Amino acid sequence: EPEVTQTPSHQVTQMGQEVILRCVPISNHLYFYWYRQILGQKVEFLVSFYNNEISEKSEIFDDQFSVERPDGSNFTLKIRSTKLEDSAMYFCASSERKGITSGNTIYFGEGSWLTVV
Amino acid sequence: AQKITQTQPGMFVQEKEAVTLDCTYDTSDPSYGLFWYKQPSSGEMIFLIYQGSYDQQNATEGRYSLNFQKARKSANLVISASQLGDSAMYFCAMREVTGTASKLTFGTGTRLQVTL
Repeated sequence: EPEVTQTPSHQVTQMGQEVILRCVPISNHLYFYWYRQILGQKVEFLVSFYNNEISEKSEIFDDQFSVERPDGSNFTLKIRSTKLEDSAMYFCASSERKGITSGNTIYFGEGSWLTVV
Repeated sequence: AQKITQTQPGMFVQEKEAVTLDCTYDTSDPSYGLFWYKQPSSGEMIFLIYQGSYDQQNATEGRYSLNFQKARKSANLVISASQLGDSAMYFCAMREVTGTASKLTFGTGTRLQVTL
């Protein structure tokens, strides 16, 4: 079964360092997303990406965050200068379409744990 | 106002019994979708079941079924014949289509513990 893959599974970084989280969405999917889950809290939307541009972003997704699809398969989240409060699980997700018809599921990757020290 | 409300922070169920996890939602949009995801202790987010707002039938996927009551704005997950491996966090989420995108809004989750 096709799946969303994420790397690294876990990364520890020093405050102020740049981090790039990588994702390979499902191959025929056109809509890509990043979500964040701080330990013990609910999952929060960060950004959605379609047709090589950001289609929506949340208040969390400030200037220190950026996303890119550098080639036909990878989708990356860059955090420019990490802060302690960026420590969280970051999920990449993808879907074939944006609509609400049955079967248009949003699939998540296994997540990347980011620990900022 | 919360868009997705899961009022049960924790639930216990005995193995082989059925359990219902509650979810209510709030939206004024007639077009939306409702998802349930399972998050085991390892952290990944596993898709379980989906219900679109226009779907006439309640969704079912194996032991999972979604009790969709549109007028009450509820989308409860029913797990039949619980197994020990069902112990996990369960999140209800709503998908709203906004312009060129759509995004999920998650509830706070319910931790399910299946006991012998």
